[in-house]
Amino acid sequence: EAQVTQNPRYLITVTGKKLTVTCSQNMNHEYMSWYRQDPGLGLRQIYYSMNVEVTDKGDVPEGYKVSRKEKRNFPLILESPSPNQTSLYFCASSPDRIPNNSPLHFGNGTRLTVT
Amino acid sequence: AQSVTQLGSHVSVSEGALVLLRCNYSSSVPPYLFWYVQYPNQGLQLLLKYTTGATLVKGINGFEAEFKKSETSFHLTKPSAHMSDAAEYFCAVSGGFKTIFGAGTRLFVKA
Repeated sequence: EAQVTQNPRYLITVTGKKLTVTCSQNMNHEYMSWYRQDPGLGLRQIYYSMNVEVTDKGDVPEGYKVSRKEKRNFPLILESPSPNQTSLYFCASSPDRIPNNSPLHFGNGTRLTVT
Repeated sequence: AQSVTQLGSHVSVSEGALVLLRCNYSSSVPPYLFWYVQYPNQGLQLLLKYTTGATLVKGINGFEAEFKKSETSFHLTKPSAHMSDAAEYFCAVSGGFKTIFGAGTRLFVKA
């Protein structure tokens, strides 16, 4: 089944403890992206990648890192999480390097709580 | 710069009534427009996307959207609401490497 898989679905952690949220897609998509969803704000882009080893900042990159060592994987890394990073996170992919008119395919989300 | 405004964070309709969810966009180039739906505890799913030259775009589950360039709008409609339509709906505009989402409209359907 074609899908974007995120893990874990739920994560509770403490301030300053490094964590990684994994994202993997099995559709051979070129483009991958991370979003955070907060009430009343919709989805805001954190980072995106248009190719292996090529990543760039979205609109809210502070406090996050990403890597794209393989085409299928795009992990999100929080080196020192803070409570303001408590949010619902989504990974998405698109077949084209520049999405434009290609829709995004989303994972089921990771709900992160930082205390 | 691109932007999306969804009017109304919550919309409530009775089952069988017309659904109208409003979206206005700002884009300096011909827009790539989408509507996505999010059911509880799930990711976003594509409902429909704008096709260049079309004024009415049909999507899944009986939804359609009307593109009005003069009003920079891309409103989503469904003639008759069903209980299963209760979800959050997001309008989005894409350009280059970024997709900008509206704040979302939560649709409630009353029996």
